[in-house]
Amino acid sequence: QKEVEQNSGPLSVPEGAIASLNCTYSDRGSQSFFWYRQYSGKSPELIMSIYSNGDKEDGRFTAQLNKASQYVSLLIRDSQPSDSATYLCAVVNYGGSQGNLIFGKGTKLSVKP
Amino acid sequence: DTAVSQTPKYLVTQMGNDKSIKCEQNLGHDTMYWYKQDSKKFLKIMFSYNNKELIINETVPNRFSPKSPDKAHLNLHINSLELGDSAVYFCASSQDLTGPLHFGNGTRLTVT
Repeated sequence: QKEVEQNSGPLSVPEGAIASLNCTYSDRGSQSFFWYRQYSGKSPELIMSIYSNGDKEDGRFTAQLNKASQYVSLLIRDSQPSDSATYLCAVVNYGGSQGNLIFGKGTKLSVKP
Repeated sequence: DTAVSQTPKYLVTQMGNDKSIKCEQNLGHDTMYWYKQDSKKFLKIMFSYNNKELIINETVPNRFSPKSPDKAHLNLHINSLELGDSAVYFCASSQDLTGPLHFGNGTRLTVT
């Protein structure tokens, strides 16, 4: 059974701090990794994608991937109250044309003013 | 223009009824999906279609039947609705099977 694990939180950080969100996955053949943000009552919104080991930065967001450790993380610098949401890690192994994006259960982030 | 649109936004119905949810995408994507998000916010894939062909059919009761008349549309029909079917159903699309997904706004189904 392919699994994606995240701490459910809530993770509470003060405004301006760095929020660190972590995700592990069980399928060593996974090839694509995504972070989605979901506000309450809204649909998931893609904020980062990463495909190779290392860091990828986009504005205040940095995704980090370590395939050997089967670990992917998201750092949010200078956290703002508007970053308060549930963050979903998603992983796909598209070997054999059976691409199947598997989501973790999400980490709820609360940024306190 | 909405990229992935699904209707209705809310659906309240009684047990035993049959209902449909429609989804359309104007992104030119080849792959479309249905996901179910339960009360604990866990997103679980139900079906995926690639070029109108069913690719993934997870352990979903056969009361749920997807239909893809063309690449831009993927509808979900549910027969004999049960209380446990209450959830938010998201349609999504992607360029191909490698993702990433673009989600519709969701349909909140409540079965009473």
